[in-house]
Amino acid sequence: KNQVEQSPQSLIILEGKNCTLQCNYTVSPFSNLRWYKQDTGRGPVSLTIMTFSENTKSNGRYTATLDADTKQSSLHITASQLSDSASYICVVSATGTYKYIFGTGTRLKVLA
Amino acid sequence: NAGVTQTPKFQVLKTGQSMTLQCAQDMNHEYMSWYRQDPGMGLRLIHYSVGAGITDQGEVPNGYNVSRSTTEDFPLRLLSAAPSQTSVYFCASSSGLAGGQYFGPGTRLTVL
Repeated sequence: KNQVEQSPQSLIILEGKNCTLQCNYTVSPFSNLRWYKQDTGRGPVSLTIMTFSENTKSNGRYTATLDADTKQSSLHITASQLSDSASYICVVSATGTYKYIFGTGTRLKVLA
Repeated sequence: NAGVTQTPKFQVLKTGQSMTLQCAQDMNHEYMSWYRQDPGMGLRLIHYSVGAGITDQGEVPNGYNVSRSTTEDFPLRLLSAAPSQTSVYFCASSSGLAGGQYFGPGTRLTVL
């Protein structure tokens, strides 16, 4: 069964600190993996998209990594800001399909 | 560009009532989809469309109908609302399999 699991479920960090969110998936055959940021009460916004051949992709203070062999991805946030408080969702799609498999997300809270 | 727009933002229905959630995009995207988001669960695909006149079922299609008469619009119809359909509904669009999805702001639906 195609699944996407994220950890931790929630995380609290102090402003300025770094953090890493994890995503494990069993989707096959793999096409691409996306990380989204979802602010409370809003729709998800894409941060990064990675295909099978990409190991790392950055978007400002956000850096995503992908290990297609172990089927793991991580999202690293550098020098966190209060505005980073949101849910971060990992989404994986299989080749040739428009059906995306969503993780349940990691809820991040950044404290001043 | 307005991106993906959804109306209404909030809606309260009584069990058995019907209604249509509206979704429109102005990016000329072929792919559009509807998701529901429930607490503790990842977004789940209800229906999707790969172009005008073409729709298909997602993971949780029961109780919902869609049509795609134009590239821009993709309405979601609730035939006979049930309390189990209380959720937040998101519409999304993308230019293709490799493109990032753009989400609307969501419709919060409560069925009493």
